[in-house]
Formats: sequence, C-alpha cells, structure tokens
Amino acid sequence: ELVMTQSPGTLSVSPGERATLSCRASKSVSNNLAWYQQKPGQAPRLLIYGASTRATGVPARFSGSGSGTEFTLTISSLQSEDFAFYYCQQYENWPPSWTFGHGTKVEMK
Amino acid sequence: QVQLQESGPGLVKPSETLSLTCTVSGSSVNGGYYWGWIRQPPGKGLEWIASLYHSGTTYYNSALKSRVNISLDTSKNEFSLELKSVTAADTAVYFCARVDIVAAGFPFDSWGQGTLVTVSS
Repeated sequence: ELVMTQSPGTLSVSPGERATLSCRASKSVSNNLAWYQQKPGQAPRLLIYGASTRATGVPARFSGSGSGTEFTLTISSLQSEDFAFYYCQQYENWPPSWTFGHGTKVEMK
Repeated sequence: QVQLQESGPGLVKPSETLSLTCTVSGSSVNGGYYWGWIRQPPGKGLEWIASLYHSGTTYYNSALKSRVNISLDTSKNEFSLELKSVTAADTAVYFCARVDIVAAGFPFDSWGQGTLVTVSS
C-alpha cells in the first residue's frame, strides 16, 4: 500500500517569507503528483499537477518540484491568502488509485 | 466552466446505506473523464473513495471496496455513491470531483462544494 508522508505537520511563516513543504512517497510515483490548497469550509483547489505544472490561474509564487519519491511545494513569498492546508496526492496507473498525504497547515507566525 | 454539486441526506443511521448524487453542469459525464468521490472526516485529511470512467468502469479504495458502489447516469448527467453498513467513522464531508485525464498524474481539477454526512442514531 502506497503511503504519502507530508512534513512538517504545521509550518509557521511570516507574510513575505518563503514556505517549503515536503511530500514523500513510500515507493516511486514518477511525476504523478499533485498539490492542493484547502481553506476552512472550502473544497480543495488544484495548485500543481505532474509534480511541477501550475494549474490554470495559480499564481507564479507557487512552484512544485521533484520526482520519484521526494517532492516539494514552494511558496516563494507568502501572501495572506496563502495561509491554509496543503495536501499532496499521488496517482497509481494500475489499478487506478489516488492517495492523499495527511496535509501541512501553513499558519501565520 | 464545469460545476459539480453533491446532494443527499445529511444524516444516516448506523448500519444503513449512505447515498449521494453529484450533478454535473458545464461538462458531460460521458465526455471522456474520470469522476470521483473523496471524503474528509471533521478535522482530518482527504481520503479517496472511488472513481469511475465515462465507460462505466469503476475503481475503489481497497479499504472501502467491500462497502462502496458508484454509478453513472448519463441521462441526468450525474454520478452517484452508495456506502453500505455505515458507522460513526463514516461521518465526513463528501466531495465529488472531476479527474483531468489529459493532465499528468490525473489530478482532480474540479470539485463540488462538499456535503456533510453525519452517521448517528
């Protein structure tokens, strides 16, 4: 069973600072990795897919990197609207399945 | 622009069946996408439940497979979820979503707003 581990659980950052979130897969997922942002009471929003491609309308301050088992989401300069939960999610080709990490909370320092 | 809307009872008794429907607008459920259900227990993370392809082929989370059934109704442009023998552990916000099969990694690119289902007598 594939396990996605996100770290840290909580990240305290000041506005304008860089935030770096990590996601590790228990086995290689190639570049089948997505990142989502979720604010309280809202549905998740797709930020990054294919490990590094920004979804439509996502600001350039969000970037994704990595492949295989180690992935990173970087927010270059945190804005007030970026304080939220972030989840990574992998896709396995066969049989098709999707697995989410447990999430990282980005909070204001 | 695609929109998804979940509907169904907000309260289900233990041991009964949870039934939800996702109504899709702005996209055809028969249009070559995967469609899926994801849930989120209060204060916890996201869990993929199941997905189905426009052909009707279904895929389930192995942890829930014995209790879950999803189906497509192309005439109504909607898809549905059934979860049998529910317990309090099935209390969650249930989201329906569309999978972008053109994008690498098949991400969920559009989501419904979610509906809270509470399992309680």
